[in-house]
Amino acid sequence: ETGVTQTPRHLVMGMTNKKSLKCEQHLGHNAMYWYKQSAKKPLELMFVYSLEERVENNSVPSRFSPECPNSSHLFLHLHTLQPEDSALYLCASSPGRMNTEAFFGQGTRLTVV
Amino acid sequence: GENVEQHPSTLSVQEGDSAVIKCTYSDSASNYFPWYKQELGKGPQLIIDIRSNVGEKKDQRIAVTLNKTAKHFSLHITETQPEDSAVYFCAAMAPKAAGNKLTFGGGTRVLVKP
Repeated sequence: ETGVTQTPRHLVMGMTNKKSLKCEQHLGHNAMYWYKQSAKKPLELMFVYSLEERVENNSVPSRFSPECPNSSHLFLHLHTLQPEDSALYLCASSPGRMNTEAFFGQGTRLTVV
Repeated sequence: GENVEQHPSTLSVQEGDSAVIKCTYSDSASNYFPWYKQELGKGPQLIIDIRSNVGEKKDQRIAVTLNKTAKHFSLHITETQPEDSAVYFCAAMAPKAAGNKLTFGGGTRVLVKP
């Protein structure tokens, strides 16, 4: 248990559906991240939030929409996904200070059909 | 930006033998190098890290070495056990003004055979 909780653990959605992934941390961290993990690119950074402000967007398609309402919660809103978006989506948090450990959640296994 | 290369991609060792995973990085400003272990169905978990002001760090059966000049670092696991079987990721981080950004290597799948 790392203190970072992701829900749901598994999600199957059609290409026309809208769903959201949730991440929650109560570690007092100021930075939160979304990563995509697939066979082609094992750990691919998608978004970085620092103090609830998005500081990085790694050329992620607009069908992925992040939201960080407060420092403890991070969402990834999904709509009109493609089958190639099927992957493990990992959330992580870190204290936000330079060069400190990132704590990962267990991930959401997403399958787009 | 930073680029991290990791080798080998798969590693099979006999129980009790040692395992070594090597990574290289491109950004000379990187000064933090963590190693993560990911077991099946779980997220990556930190097992050891090293900062650029030291050349070696050890924690029981695992150790990490860093060569800043050559820009490479390695993970060493001694006396391997079946529970060491997992995917291991190296990463590098350079100081950034906002939000720590880890760049990961491609991962090494380690299989320890009993």
